[in-house]
Amino acid sequence: ETGVTQSPTHLIKTRGQQVTLRCSSQSGHNTVSWYQQALGQGPQFIFQYYREEENGRGNFPPRFSGLQFPNYSSELNVNALELDDSALYLCASSPSGVPQEQYFGPGTRLTVT
Amino acid sequence: LAKTTQPISMDSYEGQEVNITCSHNNIATNDYITWYQQFPSQGPRFIIQGYKTKVTNEVASLFIPADRKSSTLSLPRVSLSDTAVYYCLVVSAGAGSYQLTFGKGTKLSVIP
Repeated sequence: ETGVTQSPTHLIKTRGQQVTLRCSSQSGHNTVSWYQQALGQGPQFIFQYYREEENGRGNFPPRFSGLQFPNYSSELNVNALELDDSALYLCASSPSGVPQEQYFGPGTRLTVT
Repeated sequence: LAKTTQPISMDSYEGQEVNITCSHNNIATNDYITWYQQFPSQGPRFIIQGYKTKVTNEVASLFIPADRKSSTLSLPRVSLSDTAVYYCLVVSAGAGSYQLTFGKGTKLSVIP
């Protein structure tokens, strides 16, 4: 069974640019959540997708957007990058009906300069 | 949206039982309580979840009192490899969507 994978592992962007992060969910999982984790802090919920539709959103501005595809993989897009967007971005998938049991990927480390 | 509070850090010797308590005073009827473990530079790992009373698996036990305003994660006989950050998570469901709130985490240090 393949776990959650994320790409790229690391990324460096300049302020004002746009970035797309990718996530492949664990086999059989149809719910994907994205989190932002700043250094020394707990993960902060960005949004969740279920069957290709947004199914919950945290306190993040609209420049954070996402997609879920028919194979349940997902993208996180961030426009107009700011220095404070530098963080570890985590993707997690969960089986249908059990969103509290989430399986996390290794994360993408984004640095904005 | 249920907020959680946990101790910032705890120390324990190898072989001891460790109890980490999380408070979630405004937990709602439909909310679940979940605990995760995170090592540096890795994604969190699911440990255990519960709704009420006691839940036990091969890794840990979770105690939830009747009022559900707190929960305690119990790790039996910790080893050095249990040194990690432990997060209490309340999963809130409402109107078809799910709000997930991580606490700030408890950094557990296991001492030889």
